[in-house]
Amino acid sequence: QVQLVQSGAGVKKPGASVKVSCKSSGYSFTGYYMHWVRQAPGQGPEWMGWINLNSGGTHYVQKFQGWVTMTRDTSISTAYLEMTRLKSDDTAVYYCARGPSRQLVYYFNYWGQGTLVTVSS
Amino acid sequence: QSALTQPPSASGSPGQSVTIFCTGTSSDVGHYNYVSWYQQYPGKAPKLIIYEVTERPSGVPDRFSGSKSGNTASLTVSGLQAEDEANYYCSSYAGNDNLIFGGGTKLTVL
Repeated sequence: QVQLVQSGAGVKKPGASVKVSCKSSGYSFTGYYMHWVRQAPGQGPEWMGWINLNSGGTHYVQKFQGWVTMTRDTSISTAYLEMTRLKSDDTAVYYCARGPSRQLVYYFNYWGQGTLVTVSS
Repeated sequence: QSALTQPPSASGSPGQSVTIFCTGTSSDVGHYNYVSWYQQYPGKAPKLIIYEVTERPSGVPDRFSGSKSGNTASLTVSGLQAEDEANYYCSSYAGNDNLIFGGGTKLTVL
């Protein structure tokens, strides 16, 4: 069965960087797109963008361009979300999520368990 | 792109039906048949319950149904059960490789 297992929670100071991992199992890793979605406390989800797990090509929502990087390591079936210059309003649970097919779709039936990133001085 | 608009709360008694609305614009909900709905329990990841406006993933009870009229999508939960108490979020493709979500509706089963 498809599983997405994310790295653990962390606390970062403003201006720091963080890298969240999402390890996949149960499917052919390079055949799909991985999306990243964040959810601030008490808020609705916010979609951040996607990475093509085969080519490594990426697409970011404009507000995340320049300080967010999505990468993958196909040898260990793991996708990464790296964020730099963190601010307090980046405090959120970050999820990796995948759609049901190899096509690029914008709904997700597989989700990681979430990684809480807290930005606080 | 602005978030989709959902009522913050909705409620119903066991066995009743409740409908949650999700209002967008002619550039997102009104333009694309790519509206999805998610159910989320506190501390858990969202679960897909409706995609492409009306489609249900396998395993989702047929008590959950979706529809759309103009710029507003809706999720109806029929035969309410205690386990349906959760937060519900809509999302819509908004063109140009963009996806937006609603702010969420907390469904309470009275």
